[in-house]
Amino acid sequence: QKEVEQDPGPLSVPEGAIVSLNCTYSNSAFQYFMWYRQYSRKGPELLMYTYSSGNKEDGRFTAQVDKSSKYISLFIRDSQPSDSATYLCASRAGGTSYGKLTFGQGTILTVHP
Amino acid sequence: ETGVTQSPTHLIKTRGQQVTLRCSSQSGHNTVSWYQQALGQGPQFIFQYYREEENGRGNFPPRFSGLQFPNYSSELNVNALELDDSALYLCASSEGTRADTQYFGPGTRLTVL
Repeated sequence: QKEVEQDPGPLSVPEGAIVSLNCTYSNSAFQYFMWYRQYSRKGPELLMYTYSSGNKEDGRFTAQVDKSSKYISLFIRDSQPSDSATYLCASRAGGTSYGKLTFGQGTILTVHP
Repeated sequence: ETGVTQSPTHLIKTRGQQVTLRCSSQSGHNTVSWYQQALGQGPQFIFQYYREEENGRGNFPPRFSGLQFPNYSSELNVNALELDDSALYLCASSEGTRADTQYFGPGTRLTVL
């Protein structure tokens, strides 16, 4: 079993839709949670970072972490064609001496006009 | 502020050969992490370098090795290349080993024939 599981999609939505992207994880030591966006042939770009459980909002993006159910979500409001990319969730354990990120498989999102 | 840069962009090698990939960290960042991203998968942690020393390693064989230089730039070396080594190799830099955020470069696409 992978430590971070993510539905690879692909997910296709019309412009303006609300997008929900989800991951589950199995390692109880994970305390830091991130969402990265990766455009084709580019490196991942950090979108959101959350520590422990709770919500974090940044513009059209909201990240949620529920540690009790080991569930990570990213919501995109008023989605735009420029949001079309692969979205990667990532987690990091606390208490370690190095910052190893464990990624999900990535979800391919297409927002069509 | 200069972001993370990697060279070369693309590389084609044959099985059994050796390869060196290079990474320049973002200005002010002293830690470099390397990841392997196979097609359709999330990045997998190879290792991290801090103050010119390896500081944490993922599940990769010893033929994957690295270096970090006094200016914090880094190299990833892979010996005895195998077909399965074909992937996008990503470098990420951060301020410190447990930094909350890691910033990725565009990657080097390695093809092993």
